[in-house]
Amino acid sequence: DVKVTQSSRYLVKRTGEKVFLECVQDMDHENMFWYRQDPGLGLRLIYFSYDVKMKEKGDIPEGYSVSREKKERFSLILESASTNQTSMYLCASTYTTAGNTIYFGEGSWLTVV
Amino acid sequence: AQKITQTQPGMFVQEKEAVTLDCTYDTSDPSYGLFWYKQPSSGEMIFLIYQGSYDQQNATEGRYSLNFQKARKSANLVISASQLGDSAMYFCAMRRFGNNNDMRFGAGTRLTVKP
Repeated sequence: DVKVTQSSRYLVKRTGEKVFLECVQDMDHENMFWYRQDPGLGLRLIYFSYDVKMKEKGDIPEGYSVSREKKERFSLILESASTNQTSMYLCASTYTTAGNTIYFGEGSWLTVV
Repeated sequence: AQKITQTQPGMFVQEKEAVTLDCTYDTSDPSYGLFWYKQPSSGEMIFLIYQGSYDQQNATEGRYSLNFQKARKSANLVISASQLGDSAMYFCAMRRFGNNNDMRFGAGTRLTVKP
């Protein structure tokens, strides 16, 4: 079974803190994605990566950065957390070739106070 | 950027009836795939059905079928014989293939099945 694991299920951080959200997949997927999910807005793409050390901005990259030093791991970094970054964050991964299912992690609920 | 539109924030359906959830998309890429996911209150994302842009026939998976109208850029999900367990959020998504492998989602439709 494919597994996409997000390191933290629930986090509470203070405004201004640096926050790391880790995502690991065990299927040698080339593509990995970070989304945030907010009511009424669906899943919005923050960043994605199609290979090690490669990254592309999504629709809402401001205030976020990412790191992909190894194929299996894709990290989302909030350089200086703000209250408007309180949200659910979802990581996903898949192969590059067409038709493959996207697999999601369980999500990380981040509250910034 | 590509855009996915789900115009129905909420839908109600009677148990055992069929329901259609709307999805339109906007892209100029010739190669793409369309997905539908279900998200129950537990939060997990459950893959339902996939349609490739070059597929000639509409995709079907059990009680789910995808009404793909390429010229109109629509990819509606049809759920037949609704069950109480179908109550959930449903997301339409599009993935581009080729130079760009991004994947974007619509805002979602909350489906409630009434007994």
